[in-house]
Amino acid sequence: DAGVTQSPTHLIKTRGQQVTLRCSPISGHKSVSWYQQVLGQGPQFIFQYYEKEERGRGNFPDRFSARQFPNYSSELNVNALLLGDSALYLCASSLAWSRNTDTQYFGPGTRLTVL
Amino acid sequence: AQKITQTQPGMFVQEKEAVTLDCTYDTSDQSYGLFWYKQPSSGEMIFLIYQGSYDEQNATEGRYSLNFQKARKSANLVISASQLGDSAMYFCAATPNGGSQGNLIFGKGTKLSVKP
Repeated sequence: DAGVTQSPTHLIKTRGQQVTLRCSPISGHKSVSWYQQVLGQGPQFIFQYYEKEERGRGNFPDRFSARQFPNYSSELNVNALLLGDSALYLCASSLAWSRNTDTQYFGPGTRLTVL
Repeated sequence: AQKITQTQPGMFVQEKEAVTLDCTYDTSDQSYGLFWYKQPSSGEMIFLIYQGSYDEQNATEGRYSLNFQKARKSANLVISASQLGDSAMYFCAATPNGGSQGNLIFGKGTKLSVKP
């Protein structure tokens, strides 16, 4: 079975541009979460979507937005890119939303570099 | 707020020996989940092991076991019989206070290096 997939693998943008990252969850998983991992740190939660609705949002500015489609895939959009947005963006999927026992499975990530 | 502390930035272990990676957490919830993930240099976060706060026994998954001490709020990862392929970053994570599982709080990680 395919795991979580993300595209693109790498991305280089310049300051002020906009970027869209894509994620496909494991088949049967309805929850998708997005994390930002800056070099040398652990991942930080950005968004969680379940059944196409936002269920959680981390401490990120409004330049960050996301959505989930009927097939449960998801997109993360970042507007007006800053140098500090350079990071590995990880997508994770899980079966449901609110149960502590649902393990999140991560994709390989998209490495974004902002010049 | 939930906070995860991993006090060992880096650890070395000899191949075939056991190693313990430390993790403490700070939660006010009664029900929570604790997770360990491995991140090789490729970047993908690989799920290793899960421990629920109400689980009476320590979780085990193959060579991985979680030493769960609830009163001390610690959830240390034990890797037995280390292999060269175990060299990676290891992250401890937990569900946040009052939050859903989809919102994991991660520690800063421990870099494990296995020596031949």
